[in-house]
Amino acid sequence: AQSVTQPDIHITVSEGASLELRCNYSYGATPYLFWYVQSPGQGLQLLLKYFSGDTLVQGIKGFEAEFKRSQSSFNLRKPSVHWSDAAEYFCAVAVTGANNLFFGTGTRLTVIP
Amino acid sequence: EPEVTQTPSHQVTQMGQEVILRCVPISNHLYFYWYRQILGQKVEFLVSFYNNEISEKSEIFDDQFSVERPDGSNFTLKIRSTKLEDSAMYFCASSAQGGFARGTQYFGPGTRLLVL
Repeated sequence: AQSVTQPDIHITVSEGASLELRCNYSYGATPYLFWYVQSPGQGLQLLLKYFSGDTLVQGIKGFEAEFKRSQSSFNLRKPSVHWSDAAEYFCAVAVTGANNLFFGTGTRLTVIP
Repeated sequence: EPEVTQTPSHQVTQMGQEVILRCVPISNHLYFYWYRQILGQKVEFLVSFYNNEISEKSEIFDDQFSVERPDGSNFTLKIRSTKLEDSAMYFCASSAQGGFARGTQYFGPGTRLLVL
């Protein structure tokens, strides 16, 4: 069965520092991969997605993620974090033919001055 | 930018009571979804809905749950007799098309349900 693991429950970074949020998945084939962000009081907003092709995908708000098949990972990165990036980040996978997403437990990002 | 809206934002109910959570999907979307997140746990898929019928549902979506599109704009989730373990954040989502190759799911802000 497919599953998603986000090993870091909470990460704190300084504003301007780089960021990497980890995501590992378990699935027999290459899934569709997503990163969503949830700011307080807001819905889940799609940051980026990977379906096929170039394994480095660019998203909104300066985020990128790299799909590594050998590691079953899809880590989210940002070279310089802004205070407004403080939020909860969710990695999700979808399997071929299905309409539902499988989410990780989320990583809460705190940004300090 | 169009967005999915949900009402209420918070709801408190007594165990055994019926609740209806409401969602207004993005207007030209045809596929609708409910997910939930119990505090501290993963966001879990409940059900997907297309063409006025359920297209997929998870094990969580038992006979206590039902969904409806009562008019051209609303999409509702009903829990007939709430249990303590139904306390969670419920997210509605919609997409223009089915299948992730074509249809990105857009999520609402959620309804936090507390069952006492």
